[in-house]
Amino acid sequence: ETGVTQSPTHLIKTRGQQVTLRCSSQSGHNTVSWYQQALGQGPQFIFQYYREEENGRGNFPPRFSGLQFPNYSSELNVNALELDDSALYLCASSQSDRARFFGPGTRLTVL
Amino acid sequence: AQSVTQPDIHITVSEGASLELRCNYSYGATPYLFWYVQSPGQGLQLLLKYFSGDTLVQGIKGFEAEFKRSQSSFNLRKPSVHWSDAAEYFCAVGAPGSQGNLIFGKGTKLSVKP
Repeated sequence: ETGVTQSPTHLIKTRGQQVTLRCSSQSGHNTVSWYQQALGQGPQFIFQYYREEENGRGNFPPRFSGLQFPNYSSELNVNALELDDSALYLCASSQSDRARFFGPGTRLTVL
Repeated sequence: AQSVTQPDIHITVSEGASLELRCNYSYGATPYLFWYVQSPGQGLQLLLKYFSGDTLVQGIKGFEAEFKRSQSSFNLRKPSVHWSDAAEYFCAVGAPGSQGNLIFGKGTKLSVKP
C-alpha cells in the first residue's frame, strides 16, 4: 500500500510569484485535505476536496486554490505569494471523514 | 469557539520513564480525537484515534490515550519512553462529517534524556 506522497520536497519562490504543490493520495482514499504549518505552530486547515469538489475551506484567502483529479491526486495553488506564506504545506488523505494520513510535506520559502 | 489546548510546550523525560502529554479541547459535541507525532522536518504520523466506544484507545509504538468527556481531555500516555520517541506531538479534533477541518493544538515537544 502506497502512502501519501508530495512534491516537491522544498521550494523557494519570491514575493508575487505563483506556486503549485502536488499530492498523491493513499490508495483507496477519496478525500484530500491541505494544511499549512508555520514554524512552531500546529497545522491549519486550508481546504478539502472530495470526489473532485471542494467541500470545506478554512480561513484562507481566495489566492489559495486547489484541484482534485479523477485519480484523487490533488494540487494546491497559491497566487501572489507573500512572505507569510512561507511554511510547511501538508497534504492528508482519508476515506471520507475518517482518519487523515499525512504526507511528508512541502517546505515553501518565500523571499 | 472550537479549540485545542496543549498546555505543555516542552517536556523532558528520562529514557525508561513514563510519559503523559495533556490535551484539552473545546467543542460543541463529542468530536473525533487524534494524536499525531512529527519528527523534525517530517510530516505527521497518526499515533491513535478515537471515534466512539471504549474511551481507552491503544495506538502504535506503545502509546495509549484516554478520552474523558467530563474533563474534555484526551491525554496521551506511554509507560516507558524510548530515545526514539523524541519528537513533537500534536493533538487534534474533528467532527463527524466535518469536511476536513481538523483543529490542531500547538504541539508539545518531547525531549528524552539518556
